[in-house]
Amino acid sequence: EAGVAQSPRYKIIEKRQSVAFWCNPISGHATLYWYQQILGQGPKLLIQFQNNGVVDDSQLPKDRFSAERLKGVDSTLKIQPAKLEDSAVYLCASSLGDSGGAKTQYFGPGTRLLVL
Amino acid sequence: GDSVTQMEGPVTLSEEAFLTINCTYTATGYPSLFWYVQYPGEGLQLLLKATKADDKGSNKGFEATYRKETTSFHLEKGSVQVSDSAVYFCALANQAGTALIFGKGTTLSVSS
Repeated sequence: EAGVAQSPRYKIIEKRQSVAFWCNPISGHATLYWYQQILGQGPKLLIQFQNNGVVDDSQLPKDRFSAERLKGVDSTLKIQPAKLEDSAVYLCASSLGDSGGAKTQYFGPGTRLLVL
Repeated sequence: GDSVTQMEGPVTLSEEAFLTINCTYTATGYPSLFWYVQYPGEGLQLLLKATKADDKGSNKGFEATYRKETTSFHLEKGSVQVSDSAVYFCALANQAGTALIFGKGTTLSVSS
């Protein structure tokens, strides 16, 4: 079974530029998550989708971050304009079914972003 | 709000030593608890989980028991190997079923 796919794996941009990350979840997984992992910290949720609807985006900096999940499959996370503090690894994860606490989340390899 | 606290690293051990990584949590209700592992150059992988009090999760020789009375989920392994060198994250998912809340991670380094 193919895992969660993410691209690109690495991205270097200058501050105030824009960047987009792509995620393809495991086939059949209805729930998709984007996490931000700053160096030395645990991942922190940015946004959670159930099919193509947003379940939780309370920690998404909406003035610069946006995300969509068209057709309830692939998802794109965008940052515009980027700030130095956005340098982090962006992780995509997916899980089966509706939002349930015990559902295992499967993570992609992440996109490492460096903002100069 | 809900949170996870795990011991600071790095933890440095010799091969075949006993491992404990402490994890405590604060949460309303009855969360599910997880240990994820991140090997060098790889993504996060689920190591084990427990969904209710007194449950024991186990995998690859690692174990952790959900202790509601002490709000803990400590990770243990009787004999570590060099291949266990990685970053270990404790996490919870609350009863509402929202996303995982992670601790800061503990780096384990095992030498032969």
